[in-house]
Amino acid sequence: GQSLEQPSEVTAVEGAIVQINCTYQTSGFYGLSWYQQHDGGAPTFLSYNGLDGLEETGRFSSFLSRSDSYGYLLLQELQMKDSASYFCAYRGGSYIPTFGRGTSLIVHP
Amino acid sequence: NAGVTQTPKFRILKIGQSMTLQCAQDMNHNYMYWYRQDPGMGLKLIYYSVGAGITDKGEVPNGYNVSRSTTEDFPLRLELAAPSQTSVYFCASSFPSYNEQFFGPGTRLTVL
Repeated sequence: GQSLEQPSEVTAVEGAIVQINCTYQTSGFYGLSWYQQHDGGAPTFLSYNGLDGLEETGRFSSFLSRSDSYGYLLLQELQMKDSASYFCAYRGGSYIPTFGRGTSLIVHP
Repeated sequence: NAGVTQTPKFRILKIGQSMTLQCAQDMNHNYMYWYRQDPGMGLKLIYYSVGAGITDKGEVPNGYNVSRSTTEDFPLRLELAAPSQTSVYFCASSFPSYNEQFFGPGTRLTVL
């Protein structure tokens, strides 16, 4: 079947580094995307990995290993405003995107 | 650019009532999608469209209908509202490369 697994909650302190993992299972795979969603808001796109390796965008980086069916989002220099839910999503062998259930990141002062 | 717009922002329906959730985008995106998000959950795809006149079912299409007569608009129709349809509905759009989806602000629907 098709599925994504990510932790339900991660906590960290301001200024720290946090990694949110995502493992997937699908018969076809084109790439892994990451979205951020603040409470009451809409998801916003953060990054995409179509190939193995690390993609860096400012304080955020995303990694993909196709052989391990695994990816992660790395957030550096955490700020209070980073408290949000983070979703990984993939496109499999069709047009239908599949989202994970999301990881709630809580940043403490 | 307004991006993706959705109306209404909030709505309360009685069981059995019907309504249409409106979605429009001004980015000339071919692909449009409707998702629902229940509390503490991810996004579940209801319907999607790859262009005007072309629609297809997603993961949870029962109880919903869509149409795509123009590139810009992708309305979602609920015919006989049920409490199980209480959710937040997001419309999104993207180019065919599809890696980045742009989401509207959402419609919060309660069915009582």
